[in-house]
Amino acid sequence: AQTVTQSQPEMSVQEAETVTLSCTYDTSENNYYLFWYKQPPSRQMILVIRQEAYKQQNATENRFSVNFQKAAKSFSLKISDSQLGDTAMYFCAFMSGGSNYKLTFGKGTLLTVNP
Amino acid sequence: NAGVTQTPKFQVLKTGQSMTLQCAQDMNHEYMSWYRQDPGMGLRLIHYSVGAGITDQGEVPNGYNVSRSTTEDFPLRLLSAAPSQTSVYFCASSTRLAGGPNSYEQYFGPGTRLTVT
Repeated sequence: AQTVTQSQPEMSVQEAETVTLSCTYDTSENNYYLFWYKQPPSRQMILVIRQEAYKQQNATENRFSVNFQKAAKSFSLKISDSQLGDTAMYFCAFMSGGSNYKLTFGKGTLLTVNP
Repeated sequence: NAGVTQTPKFQVLKTGQSMTLQCAQDMNHEYMSWYRQDPGMGLRLIHYSVGAGITDQGEVPNGYNVSRSTTEDFPLRLLSAAPSQTSVYFCASSTRLAGGPNSYEQYFGPGTRLTVT
């Protein structure tokens, strides 16, 4: 079974600064996908960014980028120019290729952006 | 498109009561899933369905039943509620089609907060 570990229960950052959230995972599969989801106080789950394991290039979405280290099974999220609206719980998630109905989540990191 | 909708948003039950959490999607997605979210635990998969008439268990299925008679609906039934089922429940849907921009993305509903006393 796959496992996803987020070792930082809470983090804080000053507005406009950069912060990196860590995630490691364990799998014996070669075909999989990794995701970062954001959950603001509204509790809606919002997809931030995804990475296909077969792609070597790190995914980016505006201020959000990942550092995907396949051999190390590491998948960190970098948020640049942090904004107050980035305050949320962030979840790292794993999906086996072809199993679009099953995500394995980490326990989450609560990020607070301070003014 | 409404996306994924869940009702109710909040519910309080007494131990032993039964209820059904409703989930519907209007995106014609083949796959639907139920997760529960507990403090400090992330989201865990309860049951999932890969099409009408086909369901299977996830990581934490005990105490829950599901069925899928249509593509759109995937209700979650609690037969005899227990305090351990106090949680926030999320329904999600996704397409089985690969290669598109939204492939492999699960779309989540707004969640149902359930309290069992």
